[in-house]
Amino acid sequence: NAGVTQTPKFRVLKTGQSMTLLCAQDMNHEYMYWYRQDPGMGLRLIHYSVGEGTTAKGEVPDGYNVSRLKKQNFLLGLESAAPSQTSVYFCASSYSTTGGAGIGYTFGSGTRLTVV
Amino acid sequence: QQQVKQSPQSLIVQKGGISIINCAYENTAFDYFPWYQQFPGKGPALLIAIRPDVSEKKEGRFTISFNKSAKQFSLHIMDSQPGDSATYFCAASMKGNAGKSTFGDGTTLTVKP
Repeated sequence: NAGVTQTPKFRVLKTGQSMTLLCAQDMNHEYMYWYRQDPGMGLRLIHYSVGEGTTAKGEVPDGYNVSRLKKQNFLLGLESAAPSQTSVYFCASSYSTTGGAGIGYTFGSGTRLTVV
Repeated sequence: QQQVKQSPQSLIVQKGGISIINCAYENTAFDYFPWYQQFPGKGPALLIAIRPDVSEKKEGRFTISFNKSAKQFSLHIMDSQPGDSATYFCAASMKGNAGKSTFGDGTTLTVKP
């Protein structure tokens, strides 16, 4: 089925370790996003991309980096993991629209990351 | 500054009842208001959405009511079923903002049989 695929689904890291989360979409969407979900705090935007080769900071970008070398892939990196980065990470994608009007997201199933 | 405030945080409804979740927004530039449904261990899924040129949108048992002057919108789930038990998020986005959505904090709905 078409959609957004995230890998890995679960990961435990030690403080200071690095890792990369992969998001892949096969819907030819222009826009891609990384959100983190914490209890009682909804979904907060980390970084986003409006097209291949472009990235921008969201609401909570510190401690994360991203890359979008191919249109279908959006990578989220943690260079030196901290316990505060324990969270569930969701990737989402959407079409671009005329005038940039809002449109719904397709989300992946998430990566549950624990930093000890 | 939270731009989208959602209430209640949790909701318990009997099977067959009506579930109502409310959201309020501050930025009048928002022009797209979706609701997402999330089951445990899954990603959110788009449920229904509305634009501010209409006051109500209905899809099956799910209805969005929109009050532009009050800057509020709500999700009504008619004839609630145990299978509707999930977390619901409202969101808002605006034109020219790279499609970025601002989310409410979520409402955990439990429908008791």
